[in-house]
Amino acid sequence: DQQVKQNSPSLSVQEGRISILNCDYTNSMFDYFLWYKKYPAEGPTFLISISSIKDKNEDGRFTVFLNKSAKHLSLHIVPSQPGDSAVYFCAASATNYGGSQGNLIFGKGTKLSVKP
Amino acid sequence: GAGVSQSPSNKVTEKGKDVELRCDPISGHTALYWYRQSLGQGLEFLIYFQGNSAPDKSGLPSDRFSAERTGGSVSTLTIQRTQQEDSAVYLCASSLQGRLSTNEKLFFGSGTQLSVL
Repeated sequence: DQQVKQNSPSLSVQEGRISILNCDYTNSMFDYFLWYKKYPAEGPTFLISISSIKDKNEDGRFTVFLNKSAKHLSLHIVPSQPGDSAVYFCAASATNYGGSQGNLIFGKGTKLSVKP
Repeated sequence: GAGVSQSPSNKVTEKGKDVELRCDPISGHTALYWYRQSLGQGLEFLIYFQGNSAPDKSGLPSDRFSAERTGGSVSTLTIQRTQQEDSAVYLCASSLQGRLSTNEKLFFGSGTQLSVL
């Protein structure tokens, strides 16, 4: 059973508009959430994260929102640029639970295409 | 090194052969992870090392898969008697202490594309 779900496999947005990528999780023990960005033939690179004690974290054009009651987080990119075109992975971790404190559980990813 | 290094970048093998995939983590990182990404799938956790020991092997899909880490550095993922469903990108990642937080990040290598014919 998937613990981290990204239900939209792809998203297409016009340059300059807002991109909203969504992620849902099922494990209430998750307390740390991240977004990774992946270009073809490269490894994923860290984009932005949020701890469960916050509901929003902003870094430049990127903002992550966390709704713990809904077990939902979203990544907003504004304004979107063609260079943002990539696969975006949502990931979660239960940093204070069990043996593997460092393990991240990833979603299947959403392919974002930003059209000029 | 400056980043996580994986070799080979591509590996084509015949069904039934054994393969070894190598990962060289960032110098000083004690935590090392193996993930794989099959076509159309997300990143699937395989195994986690803290130093040379593996406290979490829960993601290894079968006993054909094994991994070791020596000297707290380089790790090798071995797949015996490869099957076509093993075809995937195998990604290695490392972090400083394995305590992911706003102060510690997970860094990935570029992966090994394994194709089993």
